[in-house]
Amino acid sequence: DAMVIQNPRYQVTQFGKPVTLSCSQTLNHNVMYWYQQKSSQAPKLLFHYYDKDFNNEADTPDNFQSRRPNTSFCFLDIRSPGLGDAAMYLCATSRESPQSYNEQFFGPGTRLTVL
Amino acid sequence: QKEVEQDPGPLSVPEGAIVSLNCTYSNSAFQYFMWYRQYSRKGPELLMYTYSSGNKEDGRFTAQVDKSSKYISLFIRDSQPSDSATYLCAMSGNTGNQFYFGTGTSLTVIP
Repeated sequence: DAMVIQNPRYQVTQFGKPVTLSCSQTLNHNVMYWYQQKSSQAPKLLFHYYDKDFNNEADTPDNFQSRRPNTSFCFLDIRSPGLGDAAMYLCATSRESPQSYNEQFFGPGTRLTVL
Repeated sequence: QKEVEQDPGPLSVPEGAIVSLNCTYSNSAFQYFMWYRQYSRKGPELLMYTYSSGNKEDGRFTAQVDKSSKYISLFIRDSQPSDSATYLCAMSGNTGNQFYFGTGTSLTVIP
């Protein structure tokens, strides 16, 4: 089945220790997104890739970086995690079509704990 | 003011009840209106989407959009314990990748 896969599902890191979360997709979608979702809050878009073009949201902290080495994979790097970065991180993909609805398909998420 | 407002609940109903979930929004440019279901510790999955105003029905689920009031609803008929989840509304404009999510409403259906 075509899907969006995130690894690991649970990640524990220490305060200030860099961490990388990964996302892969078999849908061959050209757009990939990273969202941060804290408890009882709406998913917050951090950035997205339209093919290889990186689009950062204005309020995404510099502490968060992303890489997309190819169509299938996308990584979220947190350079120096703080306690406030503990959250669920969701990866999503879509096939961009101008002037139409672009459904976003979500992965299961990675729950990050910062000690 | 948030782009999308959604009552977080929690909402608890007996099995078989009709459930009404709602969101309001402020941006008149929104054209696509989505409802996602998110089970605990899982990613959101799309339930239904609607373009512009009107109703859309899919089995026990009905989505309504009233653009004049900037108000959307999701109705669940004959609710089942398996419907217990968080329901997120989301919206977007005609172009672009920006989805605006509500905070989600936590629903529990009691057997």
